[in-house]
Amino acid sequence: EVQLVESGGGLIQPGGSLRLSCTASGFTVSSNHMAWVRQAPGKGLEWVSVIYTGGNTYYADSVKGRFTISRDNSRNTVNFQMSSLRAEDTAVYYCARARPSSLYLDQWGQGALVTVSS
Amino acid sequence: DIQLTQSPSFLSASVGDRVTITCRASQGISNSLTWFQQKPGKAPKLLIYAASTLQSGVPSRFSGSGSGTEFTLTISSLQPEDFATYYCQQLYSYPLTFGGGTKVEIK
Repeated sequence: EVQLVESGGGLIQPGGSLRLSCTASGFTVSSNHMAWVRQAPGKGLEWVSVIYTGGNTYYADSVKGRFTISRDNSRNTVNFQMSSLRAEDTAVYYCARARPSSLYLDQWGQGALVTVSS
Repeated sequence: DIQLTQSPSFLSASVGDRVTITCRASQGISNSLTWFQQKPGKAPKLLIYAASTLQSGVPSRFSGSGSGTEFTLTISSLQPEDFATYYCQQLYSYPLTFGGGTKVEIK
């Protein structure tokens, strides 16, 4: 069974750093493009980042230069390093897998809440 | 950036109703559009990809159509489990934007 489990969320002060991890089971993260999508409280979905199977990465303008997506094939994990955090980064962060050879997100984790507040 | 405008943003309907949600793109995106369903406190669920292809396991009462700038998601006969918020997403160019969502509630 395909499963994605996010970890690493929590409360962090503005300007701080946090790393989210997404541990996959039932497939290998190196075989699919992987993405992060976030949702601020009571708001809609916002695409944040993607890492291709070949290693190319893309980011939303709102996080470019502050967030970094990476993949650890040995742990079958996708990581999301977030730095210079702002109040507006407060959201549930979802890890998602794309269908093979596409960017259509067919499997999602349960989400990790990140709260940026002093 | 490509903007996606969903309409309506809120919809009140009864079980058995036919429901149509529209997603308009600010520029042509071919058929690079996905539809998701999200229930409160849950992760989104893929319903339709490539504008009109039903994801495996999704009931056939859901269908998608459109190409270019105008797309629709149709639920042929609304069921109690379909009350949720629906989002479109374009995958034509970065950033990969979502529509604002359509909340479907019970009348």
